[in-house]
Amino acid sequence: EAQVTQNPRYLITVTGKKLTVTCSQNMNHEYMSWYRQDPGLGLRQIYYSMNVEVTDKGDVPEGYKVSRKEKRNFPLILESPSPNQTSLYFCASSSYRQGALSGYTFGSGTRLTVV
Amino acid sequence: AQKITQTQPGMFVQEKEAVTLDCTYDTSDPSYGLFWYKQPSSGEMIFLIYQGSYDQQNATEGRYSLNFQKARKSANLVISASQLGDSAMYFCAMREGQTGANNLFFGTGTRLTVIP
Repeated sequence: EAQVTQNPRYLITVTGKKLTVTCSQNMNHEYMSWYRQDPGLGLRQIYYSMNVEVTDKGDVPEGYKVSRKEKRNFPLILESPSPNQTSLYFCASSSYRQGALSGYTFGSGTRLTVV
Repeated sequence: AQKITQTQPGMFVQEKEAVTLDCTYDTSDPSYGLFWYKQPSSGEMIFLIYQGSYDQQNATEGRYSLNFQKARKSANLVISASQLGDSAMYFCAMREGQTGANNLFFGTGTRLTVIP
């Protein structure tokens, strides 16, 4: 089944403790992206990747890092999480060929709480 | 300036009635794509419908249709014959350019509640 898999689904952590949210897709998509969703703000892009070893900042990159060493994986790293990073996070992927027709495939989301 | 504006934080509709969710967009790129997503209470993002800027006809997918008015820069979602399962958050989104950076810009969403 074609999908984007995020882990974990839920995470509660303490301020300053480094964490990684994993994202993996099995569709051979070139493009991957991370979003955070906050009430009243919709989804805002954190980082995106056009292909392996190609990453760039989105609208809200502060406090986050990403890497794209393999096409299928695009982990989101919080080196020193803070309470204002409490949010619902989504990973998404798309192929350039089908992006216009099928939209983007989203993961199930990761609900992160930083205390 | 906001690229996507959804002015209705919440909407109510009677079951079996039709409802329109508003979306306006802002871009100077002649090539763009417009998307609608549904987010039920379980949290996942479900793709509903797509409209390309060069598409001559309004997109339709089952009970969903997109009322695309290019001159007004609006892309309203019409849901016909509402069902209880349609209660969810709905997001309008836009991608600029043919391939470009493939970035999706989202609106703030509209929460739809279907009343029995």
